[in-house]
Amino acid sequence: EADIYQTPRYLVIGTGKKITLECSQTMGHDKMYWYQQDPGMELHLIHYSYGVNSTEKGDLSSESTVSRIRTEHFPLTLESARPSHTSQYLCASSGGLATDTQYFGPGTRLTVL
Amino acid sequence: GQNIDQPTEMTATEGAIVQINCTYQTSGFNGLFWYQQHAGEAPTFLSYNVLDGLEEKGRFSSFLSRSKGYSYLLLKELQMKDSASYLCAVLDSNYQLIWGAGTKLIIKP
Repeated sequence: EADIYQTPRYLVIGTGKKITLECSQTMGHDKMYWYQQDPGMELHLIHYSYGVNSTEKGDLSSESTVSRIRTEHFPLTLESARPSHTSQYLCASSGGLATDTQYFGPGTRLTVL
Repeated sequence: GQNIDQPTEMTATEGAIVQINCTYQTSGFNGLFWYQQHAGEAPTFLSYNVLDGLEEKGRFSSFLSRSKGYSYLLLKELQMKDSASYLCAVLDSNYQLIWGAGTKLIIKP
């Protein structure tokens, strides 16, 4: 079954640690996205990719980086986690058309102590 | 700037009908999406409107008026499982999604 996966689902980590949030999709989608969402707030786009070796920064200033070496895989890395990074991180993917629907993974809830 | 406005919270009764409004001011318009998001979960797609008018899909309908910068999501025969946040998002001239903060819908028995 075609789907989009994120691991871990929950992560509690100390300040200064390097972390990588994983996102994989089996839908063959070219476009992938990372969003940050705080409770009751709108989604903020932090990174996106239109295909292999293509990555762009979104509207939200972020100290994270991404890579897109394979179509199905779009990991997000925080080099040095801070309490201000505590949030829900959502990965999404969509097809080739600009108006294609974005489909979301289950999210990673990150807490930085 | 770009702006999407939705009511923060609404309450309705099981079996009733509720209308959730969304107004937008964006640089360009290439369509409007509605998503449902249960607490602690990811958003799931409900509808997409790019032309004016009403799109019906089962108990859910979505309406768009581009000239007024306005959309609504209509939920009929409300069920307890419809308790969730409903997110309005507009695809702007750069084909980037601009998200509203969502409307939390509370269903009472």
